[in-house]
Amino acid sequence: DTAVSQTPKYLVTQMGNDKSIKCEQNLGHDTMYWYKQDSKKFLKIMFSYNNKELIINETVPNRFSPKSPDKAHLNLHINSLELGDSAVYFCASSQGGIVSYNEQFFGPGTRLTVL
Amino acid sequence: AQSVTQLGSHVSVSEGALVLLRCNYSSSVPPYLFWYVQYPNQGLQLLLKYTSAATLVKGINGFEAEFKKSETSFHLTKPSAHMSDAAEYFCAVSVKGAQKLVFGQGTRLTINP
Repeated sequence: DTAVSQTPKYLVTQMGNDKSIKCEQNLGHDTMYWYKQDSKKFLKIMFSYNNKELIINETVPNRFSPKSPDKAHLNLHINSLELGDSAVYFCASSQGGIVSYNEQFFGPGTRLTVL
Repeated sequence: AQSVTQLGSHVSVSEGALVLLRCNYSSSVPPYLFWYVQYPNQGLQLLLKYTSAATLVKGINGFEAEFKKSETSFHLTKPSAHMSDAAEYFCAVSVKGAQKLVFGQGTRLTINP
């Protein structure tokens, strides 16, 4: 009965590889997000989707491409991985689209390590 | 643009002592303010939020926070710390129409037995 799930939980890969992280929410929410948490725990939004449409793209390199096949899923594909991409990536969801005070529900995170 | 500053990257208190985690915000329009908690190796969980109703907000696990516009603050308190409160705490701000949260840098709370 997990609300927001992510796979994989850990991802270790070499520089230059391409990888994907999957996210699914079973809360019936219409908005989903990707956040990056760096080694100092700083959390920054990368993307948000509302009803499968891209709403926010926070100056993220175009090596990162989100894809939302439906409202319940938001996947993150990363091309040509770099050392600086090592971080924990969190998926989140909320209901209400542009309503900014609704709670966001976070997944458990995917720890990406680029060697 | 909105921003949040959390004073103190690490706070340590004894079990049973008062917990006070500080958060100051910057926003040119009325803000929505949030406190999230992150337990080790887990995602974030909402503790409480302020959305322009009562200025004193009560959350889960005995935490509360008070919105003080004059001080642009939203400090988080708990009267008596418990060992299970050890975690990373994040203050965040949003505004109407912003569609995103801006997080502070986090405060790691350690509880000493």
